[in-house]
Amino acid sequence: AQSVTQPDIHITVSEGASLELRCNYSYGATPYLFWYVQSPGQGLQLLLKYFSGDTLVQGIKGFEAEFKRSQSSFNLRKPSVHWSDAAEYFCAVGPMIYNQGGKLIFGQGTELSVKP
Amino acid sequence: GAVVSQHPSWVICKSGTSVKIECRSLDFQATTMFWYRQFPKQSLMLMATSNEGSKATYEQGVEKDKFLINHASLTLSTLTVTSAHPEDSSFYICSATGRGPNSPLHFGNGTRLTVT
Repeated sequence: AQSVTQPDIHITVSEGASLELRCNYSYGATPYLFWYVQSPGQGLQLLLKYFSGDTLVQGIKGFEAEFKRSQSSFNLRKPSVHWSDAAEYFCAVGPMIYNQGGKLIFGQGTELSVKP
Repeated sequence: GAVVSQHPSWVICKSGTSVKIECRSLDFQATTMFWYRQFPKQSLMLMATSNEGSKATYEQGVEKDKFLINHASLTLSTLTVTSAHPEDSSFYICSATGRGPNSPLHFGNGTRLTVT
């Protein structure tokens, strides 16, 4: 079965502290992995994606993620969190080619709160 | 700027009425569009996939007669919630992708539907 698991429903970190959001997946084919961020009442913004190549990918807003095939994981990290990073974060797995019948499978989301 | 525009951003309607939500691609031809539903504090659940000029493909458990999807042009898809009930209250998000194999997926900002 295809699935994405984000074990942490809610995480609180202090501003300036480091952050790691966990994501584990189960996918039958070669996984293409994504991290999205959603502010309240808004749509989704792509932070980064992994298709192939270097397993450490850089994204926008200072985020990075590391693909570990042996652990079926794609954890999101940021060295120093800013208050504006408070939002909901979704990990997703899917095909690269959406317009040929593929679809994204989303994790449950992790809500990030940032303490001043 | 936004490449997918979703309208309205929020709507309140009375039980039994129908509501139409529009999803427009602003600067590309959206050959495939996806409609998601998101309950509070939960993930996005794919409702249906629509390809321009074809009937939408609905996910298991989604009532196609209740959630009418029309993708009549390469820039517009509509979701009509027919005979809405309070349990249909939710956040609906569309996403769209273009024709090429490397065409990215863009999300709209969502529509908050409240049925009273």
